Amino acid sequence: AQTVTQSQPEMSVQEAETVTLSCTYDTSESDYYLFWYKQPPSRQMILVIRQEAYKQQNATENRFSVNFQKAAKSFSLKISDSQLGDAAMYFCAYNQGGKLIFGQGTELSVKP
Amino acid sequence: DTGVSQDPRHKITKRGQNVTFRCDPISEHNRLYWYRQTLGQGPEFLTYFQNEAQLEKSRLLSDRFSAERPKGSFSTLEIQRTEQGDSAMYLCASSLQYNEQFFGPGTRLTVL
Repeated sequence: AQTVTQSQPEMSVQEAETVTLSCTYDTSESDYYLFWYKQPPSRQMILVIRQEAYKQQNATENRFSVNFQKAAKSFSLKISDSQLGDAAMYFCAYNQGGKLIFGQGTELSVKP
Repeated sequence: DTGVSQDPRHKITKRGQNVTFRCDPISEHNRLYWYRQTLGQGPEFLTYFQNEAQLEKSRLLSDRFSAERPKGSFSTLEIQRTEQGDSAMYLCASSLQYNEQFFGPGTRLTVL
């Protein structure tokens, strides 16, 4: 069964600095999608970034980028120039036949 | 706003009562998903529909849970004979085929 692991329950970053959130997953599939979702204190889940496994190029979305290492089954999220509004729970997710398998989440705090 | 909506946002009920939640997906999305999220955890998949057909149900979905999407538009999730362990946030998401899932604000259920 596919699993997603986020080994950092909490992370902290200074405003304007860079932080990296880790995620590993386990799958026997060769083609799949990976996502990072953000869940602010209001609790509505928002898509941050997505990566197709067949693409070697790492996805970027403004200040957010990923480091996708397919062989290592690693999918980390880098947030550059952190802002106070980035404070939230971040979930890594694997798309299995349409449904999402989520990691346990990383709570990110941003210090002014 | 044409995002995913859920009703009610909060529900408090006594153990043994039945509750029903509603989800209205983004109008052109043919897939609709239900997830359950407990405090401090990532969402767990419950079930999903493609149009009006329920294609997959998780083992988490006991016989007390039933979901419908009668006309391929809105969906309802009913929990019969609620138990304290049913207390959670119930999230609905929709997507167009295998594309990104867009989440609603959730329904927080508290079973006393």
